[in-house]
Amino acid sequence: SYVLTQPPSVSVAPGKTASITCGGDNIGDKTVHWYQQKPGQAPVVVVYDDRDRPSGIPEQFSGSNSANTAILTITSVEAGDEAVYYCQVWDSTTDHQVFGTGTKVTVL
Amino acid sequence: QVQLQESGPGRVNPSETLSLSCTVSGGSINSYFWGWIRQPPGKGLEWIGHIYHSGSGSTNYNPSLKSRVTISVDTPKKQFSLKLSSVTAADTAVYYCARKYTLMGYFDLWGRGTLVTVSP
Repeated sequence: SYVLTQPPSVSVAPGKTASITCGGDNIGDKTVHWYQQKPGQAPVVVVYDDRDRPSGIPEQFSGSNSANTAILTITSVEAGDEAVYYCQVWDSTTDHQVFGTGTKVTVL
Repeated sequence: QVQLQESGPGRVNPSETLSLSCTVSGGSINSYFWGWIRQPPGKGLEWIGHIYHSGSGSTNYNPSLKSRVTISVDTPKKQFSLKLSSVTAADTAVYYCARKYTLMGYFDLWGRGTLVTVSP
C-alpha cells in the first residue's frame, strides 16, 4: 500500500517560516491535500490540489509537489498556527485514500 | 450551511459490532463520496472507507479493515452508516464522517467526531 511519511515534529519561531514535508513514491504524480488539526477539533483543509487555498485560508499557507516530496510552507508563523498537519492523497492504483503520519508544528 | 453529525454508542463491548451513523443536514446527500476516518487517541488519521452516492453506491475500504467494515447509505434519512465488526481495544478512536466531491479531491466537510471506546 502507498505510504506517506512526514516528520513527527517541526519547531519554528514566531514570524519565521515552517516547512513540512510529505514523502511518497512519485508523489509528484499525485494530487496532494493538506489538513490542519487543532486539539479536540476535526481536520480542516488548508491547501488542496498541491497548491490551492480554500476561501478563508490566509496566503501564509502554500504548497508544492514534485518528484518524491510534497511540501507545505507556512510563512510568518503565529501561535495560532500550532497544530498537527496531515498530507493526504488518493492512490489511483488501489483506489484508496491515504493520510500522512502527521507533523506537529510547535511555535517557540 | 451543510453539516455532518455522527451518532452512535460511545462504548462497545469487545468482539461486538460498532455501528455509527452520519446525518447530512442543510444539503443534498446525492453525488458525493461519503467517508469515514478514525483517529485513535494521540495518534494520526486513518481512512476507513467511503461510499459514492450514485446509482451503484460503490464502496471502497481500507484493506487493513476491509474484512470487518461495511458502509451504506440511507437516502430518505440523508444518513450514511459505518459498521465495524469484531472490535477490539485497538478500534478505540474518534470516528469522523466526511464528504468529498471526487476521488482525488479533498475532504471538504467533516463531522465533529465521536469517541468510541471498546471495553467490557
